[in-house]
Amino acid sequence: GIQVEQSPPDLILQEGANSTLRCNFSDSVNNLQWFHQNPWGQLINLFYIPSGTKQNGRLSATTVATERYSLLYISSSQTTDSGVYFCAVVSLSWNAGGTSYGKLTFGQGTILTVHP
Amino acid sequence: EAGVVQSPRYKIIEKKQPVAFWCNPISGHNTLYWYRQNLGQGPELLIRYENEEAVDDSQLPKDRFSAERLKGVDSTLKIQPAELGDSAVYLCASSLASGSVNEQFFGPGTRLTVL
Repeated sequence: GIQVEQSPPDLILQEGANSTLRCNFSDSVNNLQWFHQNPWGQLINLFYIPSGTKQNGRLSATTVATERYSLLYISSSQTTDSGVYFCAVVSLSWNAGGTSYGKLTFGQGTILTVHP
Repeated sequence: EAGVVQSPRYKIIEKKQPVAFWCNPISGHNTLYWYRQNLGQGPELLIRYENEEAVDDSQLPKDRFSAERLKGVDSTLKIQPAELGDSAVYLCASSLASGSVNEQFFGPGTRLTVL
């Protein structure tokens, strides 16, 4: 199956710093999602980005599907940004009946800690 | 609009006991997923439903795990009997109809501890 690797595994920042998280994947994908898992365990959708660049406030993401990677940028980090950031790729799979569907495969995550 | 709802949020049981988790997806979402997340790892798919049909249960340990989605809305995931290694967070997600382009949305999860 497809492999998803995230780096760095851990990141510690001072409030106000910028950071870049990377997601590499081993095969062609149909789509890609970035999530933030907060300290209470809730997975929050950040971006749904098969290619190109999207921005949402202090966060932005870029996916270069042809080179099989995606980047998540966090600017002016805040303590509330702490948590685990997951990249998940959507690849086509087939069930026993021959029907295709999108399968979400997660990376191992980047643990971000932002200190005040 | 309400998100994916799961209950209970936490469950502590002794090994060999049964346990069940409940999920209510986002209104209008036909596709429902159950994932298991072990500590320090990303979620892994257990089973996927299209309406009431389980279209992919290849990762579900069928000797002790079962799931159902009666009427194509709510779903229940059951473990019987539970083992120590089943301790994990069980996440439910939903998306619009099938296909690779539909964004998945997750519930808050049920944290299971098996003693």
